[in-house]
Amino acid sequence: AQTVTQSQPEMSVQEAETVTLSCTYDTSESDYYLFWYKQPPSRQMILVIRQEAYKQQNATENRFSVNFQKAAKSFSLKISDSQLGDAAMYFCAYRSATRGAQKLVFGQGTRLTINP
Amino acid sequence: EAGVVQSPRYKIIEKKQPVAFWCNPISGHNTLYWYRQNLGQGPELLIRYENEEAVDDSQLPKDRFSAERLKGVDSTLKIQPAELGDSAVYLCASSLPGAGQGSGKQYFGPGTRLTVT
Repeated sequence: AQTVTQSQPEMSVQEAETVTLSCTYDTSESDYYLFWYKQPPSRQMILVIRQEAYKQQNATENRFSVNFQKAAKSFSLKISDSQLGDAAMYFCAYRSATRGAQKLVFGQGTRLTINP
Repeated sequence: EAGVVQSPRYKIIEKKQPVAFWCNPISGHNTLYWYRQNLGQGPELLIRYENEEAVDDSQLPKDRFSAERLKGVDSTLKIQPAELGDSAVYLCASSLPGAGQGSGKQYFGPGTRLTVT
């Protein structure tokens, strides 16, 4: 079974600075998807960024980018120019590309605090 | 485009009472998921539907939990009887047809926070 580990329960950063959240995963599959979700106090899980394992290029979405290291099974999220609205729980998630195996496997989450 | 809708947002019940949660997925999304999120943890899948068929319910505690999606659109998750350990946030998500081979994107609702006293 696949597992996802987020080793940082909490992180904090000054507004406008850059922060990196860590995620590692364990799988024997070669084709899969990786995601970062943001969960603010409203509880709604919001998709931040997605990476396909067969793509070597790291995904980027505006101020959010990932460092995907397939051999090391590492998938970190970098948030540049942090804003107060970025404060939330961040979850790393794995999904197999195998048809019929669509569930997301989540890590334990990292609580990100933005200091003004 | 409307997102995934869930109700109620909050529910407080005494143990041994029944409770039900409702989910309306994004229009056109034939895959629907129910996740449970315990405090301080990531969500865990309870059940996944493809249209009205439950195709993955291996994590659903079938002695007290049940779910249905009769017309392949809205879904209801029920707990009867509830136990103290069922206190959690119950999240519903949906995805487009063919997501098994496609983008893999799941869209979540705001969840229902259940407190069992």
